[in-house]
Amino acid sequence: GAGVSQSPSNKVTEKGKDVELRCDPISGHTALYWYRQSLGQGLEFLIYFQGNSAPDKSGLPSDRFSAERTGGSVSTLTIQRTQQEDSAVYLCASSLGGGAIEQYFGPGTRLTVT
Amino acid sequence: AQSVTQPDIHITVSEGASLELRCNYSYGATPYLFWYVQSPGQGLQLLLKYFSGDTLVQGIKGFEAEFKRSQSSFNLRKPSVHWSDAAEYFCAVGANAGNNRKLIWGLGTSLAVNP
Repeated sequence: GAGVSQSPSNKVTEKGKDVELRCDPISGHTALYWYRQSLGQGLEFLIYFQGNSAPDKSGLPSDRFSAERTGGSVSTLTIQRTQQEDSAVYLCASSLGGGAIEQYFGPGTRLTVT
Repeated sequence: AQSVTQPDIHITVSEGASLELRCNYSYGATPYLFWYVQSPGQGLQLLLKYFSGDTLVQGIKGFEAEFKRSQSSFNLRKPSVHWSDAAEYFCAVGANAGNNRKLIWGLGTSLAVNP
């Protein structure tokens, strides 16, 4: 079946502009995660959606970052007024939920802020 | 505090040699444990997982890992490394119950393979 997809694969934007990154999880997966990975670094947790529960936003680095998940499926991560330090690869993952917590990752969106 | 430690930031092995990547965790409950691999420019791929039962688990690409509760470890092994195994490897731990099913991630081990 289809895996997690993300778009765009690459995004170059000017400092101060807003960007939207999209994630399509695996069909039927109730949990969705966003991570940020800076060059040569590990995974930085951003936000976690589980079903209809309130999202866990504890990893969002500032109020310039927000995310939503519509209809329990597609998710959009929005970064407002981008800064150069926002340049990174943004990874999305989904999991089936319940007792199945292994995460399946998309290929990521590489964001470059100039 | 919950944490995952991968003590080796970078490892280099020769092709055909054996490999062991270390992972130690600190977790309050019985953990679920995972190893993921990230090839250059790619997303993360699940190599193997431990939930319960046999403490030696087999994964894809010839990898295995052993859960040792007494040592709080979940080390990844491969008897003979191939050049294509060069990648970043991440260990992660999660809860086997409860509402918050986030994973706690190690910082990764970068593996280089010499021909």
